[in-house]
Amino acid sequence: AQSVAQPEDQVNVAEGNPLTVKCTYSVSGNPYLFWYVQYPNRGLQFLLKYITGDNLVKGSYGFEAEFNKSQTSFHLKKPSALVSDSALYFCAVNTGKLIFGQGTTLQVKP
Amino acid sequence: GAVVSQHPSRVICKSGTSVKIECRSLDFQATTMFWYRQFPKQSLMLMATSNEGSKATYEQGVEKDKFLINHASLTLSTLTVTSAHPEDSSFYICSASIPDSGNTIYFGEGSWLTVV
Repeated sequence: AQSVAQPEDQVNVAEGNPLTVKCTYSVSGNPYLFWYVQYPNRGLQFLLKYITGDNLVKGSYGFEAEFNKSQTSFHLKKPSALVSDSALYFCAVNTGKLIFGQGTTLQVKP
Repeated sequence: GAVVSQHPSRVICKSGTSVKIECRSLDFQATTMFWYRQFPKQSLMLMATSNEGSKATYEQGVEKDKFLINHASLTLSTLTVTSAHPEDSSFYICSASIPDSGNTIYFGEGSWLTVV
């Protein structure tokens, strides 16, 4: 079965430090991978996607993600976290419909 | 970027009544739209895939007679919760796929339904 896993329920980071939100996937064929962010009581905002090509994908708000085929991972990263980055983050794979990970709450403290 | 609009953002209805939520693609045509349900601090649960001009495809365990989906045009899909009960109270989110590389899916702002 095709699936996406986010192993951490919550990630805590100090403002200014680098952050990583982990995602692994299990799909057949070439994956179309996405990251979305959700602020409280809001819909999901598209951050970035990997389709093909360069393994390092740059997205909105300074976020980037690295596709690693051998480790079947697509971790979300940012060099310097902001308090305003605190939100719920979802990794997803598009198989014709989106399959989501469980979500990871990012808490950035001043 | 592509925009998906959802209305209403919040609605309160009485038990036993029906409520309709609209999902519109504002600057693109969406042959496929998706409806999700989300409980607090949880992931999104796909309810159904809405196809323009044909019947929706429901996920296992979702009652199609209770959650009526109509995709009458390339820019509008509606979800009607019929005979609502308090346990139907939830955050409902729609999304639409645009035909770019990878079929990026954009989401509406969501609709909070409270059944009293």
